[in-house]
Amino acid sequence: AQSVAQPEDQVNVAEGNPLTVKCTYSVSGNPYLFWYVQYPNRGLQFLLKYITGDNLVKGSYGFEAEFNKSQTSFHLKKPSALVSDSALYFCAVRDRGSNSGYALNFGKGTSLLVTP
Amino acid sequence: DTAVSQTPKYLVTQMGNDKSIKCEQNLGHDTMYWYKQDSKKFLKIMFSYNNKELIINETVPNRFSPKSPDKAHLNLHINSLELGDSAVYFCASSQGPQLRETQYFGPGTRLLVL
Repeated sequence: AQSVAQPEDQVNVAEGNPLTVKCTYSVSGNPYLFWYVQYPNRGLQFLLKYITGDNLVKGSYGFEAEFNKSQTSFHLKKPSALVSDSALYFCAVRDRGSNSGYALNFGKGTSLLVTP
Repeated sequence: DTAVSQTPKYLVTQMGNDKSIKCEQNLGHDTMYWYKQDSKKFLKIMFSYNNKELIINETVPNRFSPKSPDKAHLNLHINSLELGDSAVYFCASSQGPQLRETQYFGPGTRLLVL
């Protein structure tokens, strides 16, 4: 099964500083990788995805992610953090479920706290 | 305007009751999903339908039964609710079932079983 790992439970960063939220993957074949963000008591919002092509993927709200095949990583980055970026971030990989469909396998989530 | 909507947003009920959660998407997508988020925020797929056909049926107690009356709707019925069913249930949809398709999530239904 395809899986992702988020090694950090929490990331703290000061407003205005760059942020990185880490994700590594374990897949056979080509990975289809996604980042989602969950604000408190809200649903998951799609940020970006890597399918194929450029290793640097740009997404919503100024976020980007770098796909690194040699390090099997797909870290989420932003050059300058905002307090409003504080949320729970999920990395996910598309994987075959039972029967014939494909679902998302999520990492455990990383809580990002941006302090003023 | 809500792309993926769920009702109700909150559901508090007693053990043993039967309840349903409804999901509707207005994106014109063919594929819909149910995910469960537990108290530790871990997300896991439960079911998926493509064009009203069940395509994912993970290891879930058979007290949970999804129903898709049409492509735009996917409902989740839960019989004989147990304390462990307390969680947030998310509905999602995608253009199709293919690997590259992005899934868009609803706001979630917070279920508390007392």
